[in-house]
Amino acid sequence: KAGVTQTPRYLIKTRGQQVTLSCSPISGHRSVSWYQQTPGQGLQFLFEYFSETQRNKGNFPGRFSGRQFSNSRSEMNVSTLELGDSALYLCASSPGLAGSDTQYFGPGTRLTVL
Amino acid sequence: AQTVTQSQPEMSVQEAETVTLSCTYDTSESDYYLFWYKQPPSRQMILVIRQEAYKQQNATENRFSVNFQKAAKSFSLKISDSQLGDAAMYFCAYRGPGGGADGLTFGKGTHLIIQP
Repeated sequence: KAGVTQTPRYLIKTRGQQVTLSCSPISGHRSVSWYQQTPGQGLQFLFEYFSETQRNKGNFPGRFSGRQFSNSRSEMNVSTLELGDSALYLCASSPGLAGSDTQYFGPGTRLTVL
Repeated sequence: AQTVTQSQPEMSVQEAETVTLSCTYDTSESDYYLFWYKQPPSRQMILVIRQEAYKQQNATENRFSVNFQKAAKSFSLKISDSQLGDAAMYFCAYRGPGGGADGLTFGKGTHLIIQP
């Protein structure tokens, strides 16, 4: 099976702009989670989607949003970008929402905000 | 909220030697799942090994094994016969029984250096 794919791999934006990142899960996986990785804060959970519904959300401002489509593909959006949003954004897919469902990660999207 | 602590920011080991990476966690749950992920310079997170808390037997995957001490809330990773390709950041992660409201909770990571 093909792994998790994320597009684009690299992105440069300026403050105040918005950005949309895309994630395609492993075939058959219905859950998609997003994480932000920065040198200072480490890996932090953003949100998790299952069956087109946001099931869980981490402690991030409302500027961070996402959605999931009927084919389980997911997008996350960040509006009004700030310098501190520069990070590696990782998407992970799993068969379902259970704790026993291992999450498999994509290669990430490196976002730089200037 | 659950927390995961990796007390070793960096570890160094000679090729072919054995190294153990430490991880402790805090939770009030009795059923949960623990993971070790590897992140090489390519930044791709790769699952190394997983452990179900209800299983007493320690998980093993080839050269990788864990020492799971539930009462002590400790979950260390042992890498035997270290290889140059093992050089990476290693993250310990926790997930609650129903998936948890916080997704995976990660430690800060341990940078593993393999000396040739």
